[in-house]
Amino acid sequence: EGQLLESGGNLIQPGGSLRLSCAASGFTFSTYVMTWVRQAPGKGLEWVSTISDTGFSTYYADSVKGRFTISRDSSKNILYLQMNSLRADDTAVYYCAKASRVRGFLDAFDMWGQGTMVTVSS
Amino acid sequence: DIQLTQSPSTLSASVGDRVTITCRASRTINNWLAWYQQKPGKAPKLLIQEASSLESGVSSRFSGSGFGTEFTLTINTLQPDDFATYYCQQYNDNWMFGPGTKVEIK
Repeated sequence: EGQLLESGGNLIQPGGSLRLSCAASGFTFSTYVMTWVRQAPGKGLEWVSTISDTGFSTYYADSVKGRFTISRDSSKNILYLQMNSLRADDTAVYYCAKASRVRGFLDAFDMWGQGTMVTVSS
Repeated sequence: DIQLTQSPSTLSASVGDRVTITCRASRTINNWLAWYQQKPGKAPKLLIQEASSLESGVSSRFSGSGFGTEFTLTINTLQPDDFATYYCQQYNDNWMFGPGTKVEIK
């Protein structure tokens, strides 16, 4: 059974940077589109960013465009989210998630990590 | 951008009840809709994709229907483990989640 394990969450000051990681195991990472989803405290789910299986195509929510960068290292089975110019409203649990179909682009997410908490506060 | 609404936002029900949650899209998403269950402090769990396709291992008490702009999630014979928040998600045009429906104990 596959697994996703996020790390890198922390308390960070406004304007700071943070890089999240998501280690994948138990499936062929390089053949799946991967996504970051976040959830602010007490709020709903918000799609953040998606990267194609090849890593060549990336997509961002307007709320993070120009500040966040998604990437992947398929030799290490790790997904990343580089977050710059962090703001208080970026405070959330960040989940990584896997597309349900091999090379599925517009797809549901059938595997999620446990999440990592990012708190942006002075 | 496609917007999703869910109704109701909160649903009070008893064990054994049948409950229905509605998700509406601002324009057609064909059948590219998924339903997730989330419990406090836990990651979401995929229940249904393509509007009506039940995920392996998910109880058959859950069912989904709809096409275009209106979709429903039905839970038959509500069990104690079903009290949670449910989100719809469209993946016709990028990805977006509905605001959620909390199913609570009456």
